[in-house]
Amino acid sequence: GAVVSQHPSWVICKSGTSVKIECRSLDFQATTMFWYRQFPKQSLMLMATSNEGSKATYEQGVEKDKFLINHASLTLSTLTVTSAHPEDSSFYICSATTGTAFNQPQHFGDGTRLSIL
Amino acid sequence: GESVGLHLPTLSVQEGDNSIINCAYSNSASDYFIWYKQESGKGPQFIIDIRSNMDKRQGQRVTVLLNKTVKHLSLQIAATQPGDSAVYFCAENMNTGFQKLVFGTGTRLLVSP
Repeated sequence: GAVVSQHPSWVICKSGTSVKIECRSLDFQATTMFWYRQFPKQSLMLMATSNEGSKATYEQGVEKDKFLINHASLTLSTLTVTSAHPEDSSFYICSATTGTAFNQPQHFGDGTRLSIL
Repeated sequence: GESVGLHLPTLSVQEGDNSIINCAYSNSASDYFIWYKQESGKGPQFIIDIRSNMDKRQGQRVTVLLNKTVKHLSLQIAATQPGDSAVYFCAENMNTGFQKLVFGTGTRLLVSP
């Protein structure tokens, strides 16, 4: 149980285009979803937290107009990287939880590798 | 401050050995800690967690130790197997009233047959 699916798993696109990444909880309802970014050989860095039906909360230094997050249902959140540039190339990972308690486990997707040419 | 990784330290062990992976966390007020395993090209996989009111917790082949005095967390893996080879991250919940995980720098575990 508690499966989180991300799509696509890998995307290559030209500089200036926008890319949408989907995160789905397959067998549970996710009240909260998180988006992380991971550069090679580095740790996961939280970008934003989204609760179903409300605006996402972005971490300091993350541009909300650059990284658009939508969490319109209890099973789907999307991250859109707008006008992507090579420096946006990274591994983007989402996670989902069934509640907001501090010890509610986060279930992670397998990530999306984004390469901007 | 928040932990930011610049490189991955590596721990190399022989199959069957016990492995100990260490982590220094940043916030003395953090109330919950988790160890994750990440295989190449995949998302983190939950291994074991511990609350701040505990100093030890055991799972199957794994033990987590928490020393709040020095803000140190360790993961012990008994009888390490080649399938344990991965990058291991500790994460702390920042106790801000809602869940927010900050991940440590990570350690690469290499298990030789």
